Amino acid sequence: EDQVTQSPEALRLQEGESSSLNCSYTVSGLRGLFWYRQDPGKGPEFLFTLYSAGEEKEKERLKATLTKKESFLHITAPKPEDSATYLCAVQARGAQKLVFGQGTRLTINP
Amino acid sequence: GAGVSQSPSNKVTEKGKDVELRCDPISGHTALYWYRQSLGQGLEFLIYFQGNSAPDKSGLPSDRFSAERTGGSVSTLTIQRTQQEDSAVYLCASSLEGRRVHGYTFGSGTRLTVV
Repeated sequence: EDQVTQSPEALRLQEGESSSLNCSYTVSGLRGLFWYRQDPGKGPEFLFTLYSAGEEKEKERLKATLTKKESFLHITAPKPEDSATYLCAVQARGAQKLVFGQGTRLTINP
Repeated sequence: GAGVSQSPSNKVTEKGKDVELRCDPISGHTALYWYRQSLGQGLEFLIYFQGNSAPDKSGLPSDRFSAERTGGSVSTLTIQRTQQEDSAVYLCASSLEGRRVHGYTFGSGTRLTVV
């Protein structure tokens, strides 16, 4: 069964304090790994898709990386507006649905 | 439209009543998904529509849940005889389908409370 585990569950950082969120996964052939950001009361907002080990993608202060077993979302010099829940999901080859992790709730204090 | 639109945004219903939740996907997106997000839980897949193909209903938790997609666009998720455990945020998403997988665009969801 495809599975996604995210850690930590919650993370508090000071503004400017860089860190990483982890997404460990098991999947029967990876078609894609996704990162989403979710603000309270809103639907998840798409950030990145990674397709194969070694791939990296960047957007502003965020960088996502992928290995055969896990993905990291690196946050460099975060700002309070980066506070949100970050969700990781995988899609297996031949499948249509995404399997989501429980998310990491990130709080950036000014 | 510019985004995925869901209505209503909030719904409070009495146990045992039926509810209908609506989703308007992004124009031109061929794939449409329904997910459920319960408090403290991850997103749970419910159902998937792609073009004129038969929907993938493998995630529907019971036969009280059904969904349809008319004209390849608007979708309605119906929950019959609602139970308290049905309380959750119901999220709809749409995407382009192609050789490469595309990220979904989600709506803001319908928060369903069964009292």
